[in-house]
Amino acid sequence: AQSVSQHNHHVILSEAASLELGCNYSYGGTVNLFWYVQYPGQHLQLLLKYFSGDPLVKGIKGFEAEFIKSKFSFNLRKPSVQWSDTAEYFCAVNAQSSANKLIFGAGTRLAVHP
Amino acid sequence: EAQVTQNPRYLITVTGKKLTVTCSQNMNHEYMSWYRQDPGLGLRQIYYSMNVEVTDKGDVPEGYKVSRKEKRNFPLILESPSPNQTSLYFCASSLSGNEQYFGPGTRLTVT
Repeated sequence: AQSVSQHNHHVILSEAASLELGCNYSYGGTVNLFWYVQYPGQHLQLLLKYFSGDPLVKGIKGFEAEFIKSKFSFNLRKPSVQWSDTAEYFCAVNAQSSANKLIFGAGTRLAVHP
Repeated sequence: EAQVTQNPRYLITVTGKKLTVTCSQNMNHEYMSWYRQDPGLGLRQIYYSMNVEVTDKGDVPEGYKVSRKEKRNFPLILESPSPNQTSLYFCASSLSGNEQYFGPGTRLTVT
């Protein structure tokens, strides 16, 4: 069965620090990969996605993620975080053969202190 | 404005009292889905629908029903709610089942 692991459940950073959130998935076939963000009290919004092509994808608000197929990873990065990045971040995966089934990780809560 | 709407946004109810949470999208999407979000568990899929009159179970369908009589609507029905269904519920829609657009969420408390 597919699964998604997010290694960090809570991350606390100061403004301007660099961010990397880990995401690993288990599935042997071809996958689509997503990062969603949920700001306090709001619904999920898509940050970025990878379907194919360049494994380094850029999303909104300065976020990027790198797909490393050999490591089954899709880590999220941002070189310099802002207080407004305080949110919960979810990695999600679906198999291209069953695109209806989106599997989410447990989420990482990021708190950025001014 | 393209959006997914859910009603109600907040609901407190008692065990066994049937309830329905509505979901509507105005993007003409074929695919719609319901998730529940619980602390430490992320989002788990309850049911999904690939088109009108086509629905299927997700990972946690027990205690829930859905229907898809129209393309734009995908209500979630709890026939006999129990306290373990206290959760935050999200509806989502997409064209292809890949990139999903989420509604604002419905916070349900069952006492």
